[in-house]
Amino acid sequence: DSGVTQTPKHLITATGQRVTLRCSPRSGDLSVYWYQQSLDQGLQFLIQYYNGEERAKGNILERFSAQQFPDLHSELNLSSLELGDSALYFCASSPGKRGGQETQYFGPGTRLLVL
Amino acid sequence: KNQVEQSPQSLIILEGKNCTLQCNYTVSPFSNLRWYKQDTGRGPVSLTIMTFSENTKSNGRYTATLDADTKQSSLHITASQLSDSASYICVVSASDSWGKLQFGAGTQVVVTP
Repeated sequence: DSGVTQTPKHLITATGQRVTLRCSPRSGDLSVYWYQQSLDQGLQFLIQYYNGEERAKGNILERFSAQQFPDLHSELNLSSLELGDSALYFCASSPGKRGGQETQYFGPGTRLLVL
Repeated sequence: KNQVEQSPQSLIILEGKNCTLQCNYTVSPFSNLRWYKQDTGRGPVSLTIMTFSENTKSNGRYTATLDADTKQSSLHITASQLSDSASYICVVSASDSWGKLQFGAGTQVVVTP
């Protein structure tokens, strides 16, 4: 158990809908990262937050957005969902003090299926 | 083009045998290289993390090597166990990207009895 929690574990929805994925980082970690893992793409970095502020952006679609709240939990919002958005979405956290040098601890993931 | 290439894509080994996985990268400027183990349907778990000055690092039966000059890394699994069956992912961080990682596609290892 990494200490990172994600809810829900599974999500089934229809095309065009909007969903919110939630992540609680390890106690004391200030950085939160979001990743997408689809069968044909491997792990893709989406976005990172550090202490409430966006720190780095990867291959995140404009239909997707995220935020980190004062209590440090984070939410990833996916809107106008398409079939191709079906994937595992992982959240990871790290202390945030050493930037890219830190080990990231991954949550169990949310499996999204868009029908 | 992916900046982190792994080989082989998959391999099957007998329990108790050793195996070596390869990772080549072009990420620059280089900060560190990590190996993750990912069981099917679960989040990746960090095995090792190496910076420019480190040539080798071990974690139990896992030993990672790094040649920053040739931009190559390997992960050696010694005396494989059934629980080693997983995807092993090479991940490289650039020094100008705060926390942003480049992921390889992974090597799927299957250990058979």
